[in-house]
Amino acid sequence: EAGVTQFPSHSVIEKGQTVTLRCDPISGHDNLYWYRRVMGKEIKFLLHFVKESKQDESGMPNNRFLAERTGGTYSTLKVQPAELEDSGVYFCASSSGTRSGNTIYFGEGSWLTVV
Amino acid sequence: GDSVTQMEGPVTLSEEAFLTINCTYTATGYPSLFWYVQYPGEGLQLLLKATKADDKGSNKGFEATYRKETTSFHLEKGSVQVSDSAVYFCALLNSGGYQKVTFGTGTKLQVIP
Repeated sequence: EAGVTQFPSHSVIEKGQTVTLRCDPISGHDNLYWYRRVMGKEIKFLLHFVKESKQDESGMPNNRFLAERTGGTYSTLKVQPAELEDSGVYFCASSSGTRSGNTIYFGEGSWLTVV
Repeated sequence: GDSVTQMEGPVTLSEEAFLTINCTYTATGYPSLFWYVQYPGEGLQLLLKATKADDKGSNKGFEATYRKETTSFHLEKGSVQVSDSAVYFCALLNSGGYQKVTFGTGTKLQVIP
């Protein structure tokens, strides 16, 4: 069974450009999450989808970030325009349910560098 | 709100040394506790977990015991190897509401031969 896959694995863009990150969750997982780790700090929650609906987007830093999950399958996270402080690792995760005993599976991350 | 505090790194140990990485948490209710590991160039992997007080999670020689009285979940390994070099994250998942994992800042471990 394939795990959570993310694309691209690495991206280097200039300040002001746009980047779109993609996440394919584990098949059948309704819950999809985005997290990020910026400049060696803690991994912070960005948002949570249940199927195609945004359940919680309290962690989104500002309106330069837009997440979508059309059809409840894969998700995209767009940063437009990118700023230097957006550099970091963006993790996607998925889980099958919302009970605390469920495991959340993470992808390998998309490493973003804004120069 | 929920929070996780773990010891700052980096931690440098010689091969076969004993490892302890401290982790304490603040949360309402009865959270599940996790240790995740990120090896160089790779993603986050679940190392072990414990879902209730006094549970011990274990994997690959690593252990951690859920201590509710001290709100701690310290990671230990009796004999580390060079291949254990990675960043270790303590995390919790609260039982209330929807799932949102809260992470600590991560502790970088370097094991030297």
